[in-house]
Amino acid sequence: NAGVTQTPKFQVLKTGQSMTLQCAQDMNHEYMSWYRQDPGMGLRLIHYSVGAGITDQGEVPNGYNVSRSTTEDFPLRLLSAAPSQTSVYFCASSKGQGYSGNTIYFGEGSWLTVV
Amino acid sequence: ILNVEQSPQSLHVQEGDSTNFTCSFPSSNFYALHWYRWETAKSPEALFVMTLNGDEKKKGRISATLNTKEGYSYLYIKGSQPEDSATYLCAPQGSSNTGKLIFGQGTTLQVKP
Repeated sequence: NAGVTQTPKFQVLKTGQSMTLQCAQDMNHEYMSWYRQDPGMGLRLIHYSVGAGITDQGEVPNGYNVSRSTTEDFPLRLLSAAPSQTSVYFCASSKGQGYSGNTIYFGEGSWLTVV
Repeated sequence: ILNVEQSPQSLHVQEGDSTNFTCSFPSSNFYALHWYRWETAKSPEALFVMTLNGDEKKKGRISATLNTKEGYSYLYIKGSQPEDSATYLCAPQGSSNTGKLIFGQGTTLQVKP
């Protein structure tokens, strides 16, 4: 059971480059989210999705795009990387509405450095 | 977006000490409260999901209580061990949508042998 899989695990980008962080889950979860973690800031929500074709912004969406064409995949795109986007990125998924007290499952994280 | 506060921000204790942290959140629009344990370089691990006022949950030496009327939850660790060293995150859920969970900044616990 793979759970939530993120790739790549480590990436170094130059300022201005674009890239996509991949996230896939095999638990048939409706909800998926992207968070970034910075020192002293905890986890901050970037974008989230409540199902295929539906996405919405979180706390810190600027500089990032997402799409949800399938239930399994939720890629995060950095359009033009900036040093301020150096961070650890976590993808998460959970069951949809109707389940009280849903547990959120996290991927193992993607370490991104923008130079 | 819910305003979540966790205190203290960091904590250093000796092995064997018992300790507790606080998570404060708005008491309106409450749906559930999540606690996660997060070790450096690993993914956050779910500890508890609590939904009812007065809920008390336990997992080994770790337990948590919930007061939805006043908007707080306590996490207790009894007889701390070095392997308990981690950041403990809470996230109140203001709707049935767990996709947009807003996390507190966490309490970082360091247990010295």
